[in-house]
Amino acid sequence: DAGITQSPRHKVTETGTPVTLRCHQTENHRYMYWYRQDPGHGLRLIHYSYGVKDTDKGEVSDGYSVSRSKTEDFLLTLESATSSQTSVYFCAISESGISLLTGELFFGEGSRLTVL
Amino acid sequence: AQSVTQLDSHVSVSEGTPVLLRCNYSSSYSPSLFWYVQHPNKGLQLLLKYTSAATLVKGINGFEAEFKKSETSFHLTKPSAHMSDAAEYFCVVSEIMNSGGGADGLTFGKGTHLIIQP
Repeated sequence: DAGITQSPRHKVTETGTPVTLRCHQTENHRYMYWYRQDPGHGLRLIHYSYGVKDTDKGEVSDGYSVSRSKTEDFLLTLESATSSQTSVYFCAISESGISLLTGELFFGEGSRLTVL
Repeated sequence: AQSVTQLDSHVSVSEGTPVLLRCNYSSSYSPSLFWYVQHPNKGLQLLLKYTSAATLVKGINGFEAEFKKSETSFHLTKPSAHMSDAAEYFCVVSEIMNSGGGADGLTFGKGTHLIIQP
């Protein structure tokens, strides 16, 4: 299994509070991604990173920010959580962008966030 | 723009019988296509992939899929279901849409929940 660790795995918080999810990898892969998974929607990309301090927005980036200060860590921050951000969040990594043509994304086990 | 449609949100089969999970896609370019599997409370795992080589693709755990360009389909099959196959399955289409090669070229289907009856 690819060395991807997400923390926390479960979190319950209240509307308006900040939340940070952490993804840590031991594979030294260049690309890292944050997805959210919701029933009936599959996975949707929030943000991704193609190197240290290099990030870009995905399909559903509003209300989220990311940071990548080291190759191994990719942080997802909800500045002021809302109930619509209740979801399961997955971190994924890939060796390079071209890996997308081979579909070789490796996923963490997810972080379940509940915003009350 | 690309899109992917998984035709069934739930599929229920008996153990030992064939499995068919249907996926149709639309793409402006020559796509790459994949199936991922997600077991309960786990991340997604690549099951198999089509990247313009052989149209019949074999994956892990006895699964295979056939790319049919004329039908724009990439259905997943397995001859004999096992209880351990119970999971969520995602069909994914990929195009490199910009020079960054970023993940905005990946589109996930909404998933098919496979139920195996004993």
